Amino acid sequence: IAGITQAPTSQILAAGRRMTLRCTQDMRHNAMYWYRQDLGLGLRLIHYSNTAGTTGKGEVPDGYSVSRANTDDFPLTLASAVPSQTSVYFCASSDQGTGELFFGEGSRLTVL
Amino acid sequence: GQQVMQIPQYQHVQEGEDFTTYCNSSTTLSNIQWYKQRPGGHPVFLIQLVKSGEVKKQKRLTFQFGEAKKNSSLHITATQTTDVGTYFCAGPVLGAGNNRKLIWGLGTSLAVNP
Repeated sequence: IAGITQAPTSQILAAGRRMTLRCTQDMRHNAMYWYRQDLGLGLRLIHYSNTAGTTGKGEVPDGYSVSRANTDDFPLTLASAVPSQTSVYFCASSDQGTGELFFGEGSRLTVL
Repeated sequence: GQQVMQIPQYQHVQEGEDFTTYCNSSTTLSNIQWYKQRPGGHPVFLIQLVKSGEVKKQKRLTFQFGEAKKNSSLHITATQTTDVGTYFCAGPVLGAGNNRKLIWGLGTSLAVNP
């Protein structure tokens, strides 16, 4: 079934460690997004990419980086994890910017 | 800045009762989208409204887009336990560098007592 695959689904990480959350889509969507979801704060955009080779900063980009080497993959990297980055991370894609978003299953990250 | 407010934040209903969540934007939106997220799940697209005053129905769900395109509502008739979840609205706005981005409401969490 076509869609978005995120990995890992869950991870516990020591503070200071580097971590990459993977996201792959097979729908050939141009736009991809990374959100974090925290209780009471809804969905907050971390980074986005409108097309392969371009990326942009969302609302809460600090401490995170992304790359978009091709259409399908959009990894999110935490260079040096901190406890405040404990969250559920969702990758999403859309055929056009701000069109219907398709979300992955999410990656639950705990930073101790 | 531009924001989308959703009310109520939480709602508990008895199964069979109706439920409505409201979404109000500080700016005119070109369209509005609604998503549902089941507990422990991921947001799933429900619908997009584009026209001023538009009303769309999906079985027991009725979606409305206000005449000024600044507010929207989702009404569920005769709720069922399968309706449990958080309902989000989201609308596109122009961000920095003329990039269009979605702004999200904080969601309304619906609990249904059987």
